Amino acid sequence: KAGVTQTPRYLIKTRGQQVTLSCSPISGHRSVSWYQQTPGQGLQFLFEYFSETQRNKGNFPGRFSGRQFSNSRSEMNVSTLELGDSALYLCASRQVELYNEQFFGPGTRLTVL
Amino acid sequence: GQQLNQSPQSMFIQEGEDVSMNCTSSSIFNTWLWYKQDPGEGPVLLIALYKAGELTSNGRLTAQFGITRKDSFLNISASIPSDVGIYFCAGQLAGQGNLIFGKGTKLSVKP
Repeated sequence: KAGVTQTPRYLIKTRGQQVTLSCSPISGHRSVSWYQQTPGQGLQFLFEYFSETQRNKGNFPGRFSGRQFSNSRSEMNVSTLELGDSALYLCASRQVELYNEQFFGPGTRLTVL
Repeated sequence: GQQLNQSPQSMFIQEGEDVSMNCTSSSIFNTWLWYKQDPGEGPVLLIALYKAGELTSNGRLTAQFGITRKDSFLNISASIPSDVGIYFCAGQLAGQGNLIFGKGTKLSVKP
């Protein structure tokens, strides 16, 4: 099976802009979670989607949003970008019904100038 | 919010040595996961643990789910240069899909 894929791998944006990141989970995985990784804060949970519904949300401002499509693919959007949003954004998928293991994609490196 | 205390923060060892790292929490987890991350890549799952006291191996890696369900450790035996990277522990609370991560242990191996 192919692993979790994320596009794009790298992005450079300026403050105030918005950005959309995409994630395709492992085939058969219905849950997609998003995490932000920074040197200072480490890996922090953003939100989880299952069957097109947000199941859980981390402690991030409303500028961070996401959605999931019927084929389980997910997108994450960040509006009004701030310098502090520069990070590696990671997507993880899991099967849910049988296993709790989460498998990560390679991430999208977002740089905000 | 929930936090995991992972130690040590970094290790610099000789090739062939054994390595041990651990994570502790104030919360009870129902799942412990260990990941390895290389620069510029996403974390790769090494071992998953589901039961208190469970001891699981994956090649030279061995991990245990603590009896109290508040801790876990990872051992790497006979380290080799490709073991270099950052190792993360992650715990999952019952009924929640998100993972709570430790700050990572950076492993350096000297040939």
